[in-house]
Amino acid sequence: DTEVTQTPKHLVMGMTNKKSLKCEQHMGHRAMYWYKQKAKKPPELMFVYSYEKLSINESVPSRFSPECPNSSLLNLHLHALQPEDSALYLCASRPVGGLSNYEQYFGPGTRLTVT
Amino acid sequence: GDSVTQMEGPVTLSEEAFLTINCTYTATGYPSLFWYVQYPGEGLQLLLKATKADDKGSNKGFEATYRKETTSFHLEKGSVQVSDSAVYFCALSRPGGQNFVFGPGTRLSVLP
Repeated sequence: DTEVTQTPKHLVMGMTNKKSLKCEQHMGHRAMYWYKQKAKKPPELMFVYSYEKLSINESVPSRFSPECPNSSLLNLHLHALQPEDSALYLCASRPVGGLSNYEQYFGPGTRLTVT
Repeated sequence: GDSVTQMEGPVTLSEEAFLTINCTYTATGYPSLFWYVQYPGEGLQLLLKATKADDKGSNKGFEATYRKETTSFHLEKGSVQVSDSAVYFCALSRPGGQNFVFGPGTRLSVLP
């Protein structure tokens, strides 16, 4: 299984809502990533988890709260978002170990619209 | 810091034309280099990669060679198809590093 899955595929939420995005992989990868991608732009790194611990937070506002409950699952909890947070949210995973440079495997993304 | 520069396009070609998308990078040491492709409404897919100088990555008719002397990793395909229409991202990663650095992306449109 070489797939990263993300749910939901689309999400529309109001600025006062609380919602969560889910990402799952069963490739045994111990690094997992959240990216935000605006139209016609490259992915922008938000968070990195390594061995289920948060290792990189790219100064993301606290209305985004990541969680890695186990080695296969990554969540992004959303609360009090702004319309400018509307974007495609991508999850990725990657093997870790030594000095090897592995590629990232991306999920299909969740298209988020904040109204 | 590390950076990736690529022609932003859009690039518009006729079917069966030759494709080159330029990518140059700035990084210390010996990063690994990647080309990712993103089709409309989808996530990124790895197209090819190279992990050391003079390596050639290839996949689905696409090729790119890691040129240390010119810090480049240009993407080429001899004959493009309409189905190749997508956005192409050049990226690098440092050995042992967690970050990927992406270029701005190049939008390719192939007309029948």
